[in-house]
Amino acid sequence: EAQVTQNPRYLITVTGKKLTVTCSQNMNHEYMSWYRQDPGLGLRQIYYSMNVEVTDKGDVPEGYKVSRKEKRNFPLILESPSPNQTSLYFCASMGLQLYEQYFGPGTRLTVT
Amino acid sequence: RKEVEQDPGPFNVPEGATVAFNCTYSNSASQSFFWYRQDCRKEPKLLMSVYSSGNEDGRFTAQLNRASQYISLLIRDSKLSDSATYLCVVNLYNNNDMRFGAGTRLTVKP
Repeated sequence: EAQVTQNPRYLITVTGKKLTVTCSQNMNHEYMSWYRQDPGLGLRQIYYSMNVEVTDKGDVPEGYKVSRKEKRNFPLILESPSPNQTSLYFCASMGLQLYEQYFGPGTRLTVT
Repeated sequence: RKEVEQDPGPFNVPEGATVAFNCTYSNSASQSFFWYRQDCRKEPKLLMSVYSSGNEDGRFTAQLNRASQYISLLIRDSKLSDSATYLCVVNLYNNNDMRFGAGTRLTVKP
C-alpha cells in the first residue's frame, strides 16, 4: 500500500528538549516536504527536498532542521523546541511527474 | 495580502444543496491549481486538479479564471459525507512551491 508514515503521532515535550519526527514514504517519490498547520493559518511549508541531499527552506524554517540522506526518509528535527512550535505537523511526498502530494497522518506536537 | 485566500466559512448546507467555494491567489505567474479535502483531525487528500478549461468529476466541478486570479469548486447534490474542510492549493512557478489556503469548512446537514 502506497503511504507516508510519520512517528510519533502525538508528542508532548518540554522547552529545549531536542526531538525528531520521522517521515518515510514507500512510493519512490523524489519530492518530500514538511508542513505545519495552525488554526486560521492553513498549511505552511517548513522545508522541502527535491531529492537526496537537496533541501530548501519553505515559508517558516526557523527553529527546524531536516536531512535527506535516503530517498524514502525525511526527518524533521527540532533542536530546541519552544512553545510557539506547538502545532500539527504533516509530512508529504510527491512524484515530480504529477503534482499530487501524499500526506502522512500528522504529528500533533505540544511544547510546554 | 495572503498568497492564497479562501472564505473560511463555515458553510452549513442541507443535503442535496449545491454549494460553491472560491479561492483567490495573488501571484499571476502561478502555474497549477488544486483542491484538497481534509477531514477533521486527518491529513489532506487531493480532491481534484483544476485545469484551464475547467473540469468535472462526478458531483464536483472546478474552474479556473486566470484573468481574475481565482479558482472555484462547485459541489452539487451535497452528501453528508462531503462535510470537510476544502483547501485551495496553488503551485508557483511549477517548481513544487505549493501554497495552501487556510481552508473552507463545509458541514452538510440532514
